[in-house]
Parts: sequence; C-alpha cells; structure tokens
Amino acid sequence: DAGVIQSPRHEVTEMGQEVTLRCKPISGHNSLFWYRQTMMRGLELLIYFNNNVPIDDSGMPEDRFSAKMPNASFSTLKIQPSEPRDSAVYFCASSLQGPAYGYTFGSGTRLTVV
Amino acid sequence: AQSVTQPDIHITVSEGASLELRCNYSYGATPYLFWYVQSPGQGLQLLLKYFSGDTLVQGIKGFEAEFKRSQSSFNLRKPSVHWSDAAEYFCAVGAENAGNMLTFGGGTRLMVKP
Repeated sequence: DAGVIQSPRHEVTEMGQEVTLRCKPISGHNSLFWYRQTMMRGLELLIYFNNNVPIDDSGMPEDRFSAKMPNASFSTLKIQPSEPRDSAVYFCASSLQGPAYGYTFGSGTRLTVV
Repeated sequence: AQSVTQPDIHITVSEGASLELRCNYSYGATPYLFWYVQSPGQGLQLLLKYFSGDTLVQGIKGFEAEFKRSQSSFNLRKPSVHWSDAAEYFCAVGAENAGNMLTFGGGTRLMVKP
C-alpha cells in the first residue's frame, strides 16, 4: 500500500497567486481530512469529507480556501489568492469509517508564500 | 465534546533513560485513544491505539501506553529511549458520537541527549 500521497512536497509561491494542493487517500478509506500545521497554532483541522461529501468545513480560515473531493481517490485544497500568513505545512489524512481506526497521514506539503 | 491535554510542551531525556509522556482526555464514555509520532519533515505516524480490552497496549518502536479510566489518562511510555525517538508526539481521542473525528492534543516535543 502506497499510503496517503500528497503533492507537491514543497511549494513556493508569490502572494496573490493561486495554490492547489493535492491528495490521494488510501484505497478503500471513505473519510478524508485536511490539516494545517504551524508553529504558532499547532495542528488545525480545516475540513473533512465522508464518502466524498464535505461534513465539516468550520476550520477553513476564510473564503480564500476551498476544498473538493470529486471522487474517492482524489481531493484538492485550493488557496486563492494566497497570502504570506498561509505559509504552513498542509497534511491530508484518510481513514476507514468509525472511530476505532485512526488516521493515516500523508507526508505533507510545505507551502511558503513570499 | 471530547478534549485532550498534553501538559508537557517539551521534554528532554538522556539516551537510555525511561520516558513517560502524559496525556489527559475529557470524554464521558469510553474513548478511543491514539498516540502518533511526527519526525522532522514527516507526517504523523500511528504508534498505538486503545479502544477496549487490556488497558496496557503495545505499539511500534517499543512504545506502550496505559489507559487509566480513573485518571482520564493515556500516558505513553518507553523503558529506554534511543536518539532516533527525538520527535513530536501527539495524543488523540475519538468517540462514537463524533463519527471519524479525532481531537488532537497540542503535542509534546521530545529531545534526546546523548
């Protein structure tokens, strides 16, 4: 099993540009989570999907952030326009249904907005 | 709603010494409890989990954790720390009424002295 795959691993962009982060969950997992990690705020849940449907997006910072899951094997997190304060590591995680399984995390995308 | 507290932000131990990382949770029913480890530049990796049965659970890399209901704790232990254990450790709790959602603690950064 290849695990949760995120791309790109690193992204450097200029303020105002659009950024798209990608995630491929583990096959068969029906829940997908996007997290943001910074030194100041730690690990923050942005949004999660269950069976491709967004369930809770209350953690999405503002309208500049959007996430989609068009099918069970792919999700994107888009920031438009990007700002320097969006610089962080963004993680995708997936899980099977139910609280007993825990999450499998990807390796993350380190985003730097200059 | 459930919550998790990791009282120690940083811990430093000498290589070969024993380790205990504290985790306290708040939840009315039997929780689902997890410990994750995050090495520098990596995603979070599941160390171990508890949701029923023997309250002492064994995990990967020689770690174990003990669920103590009376103390609402799930502390992580290792009898002899190796330099490669230097990382950040996260405790997380899930619940039946929270679907697939996990609540993470703030993390404990472990440093290992030679």
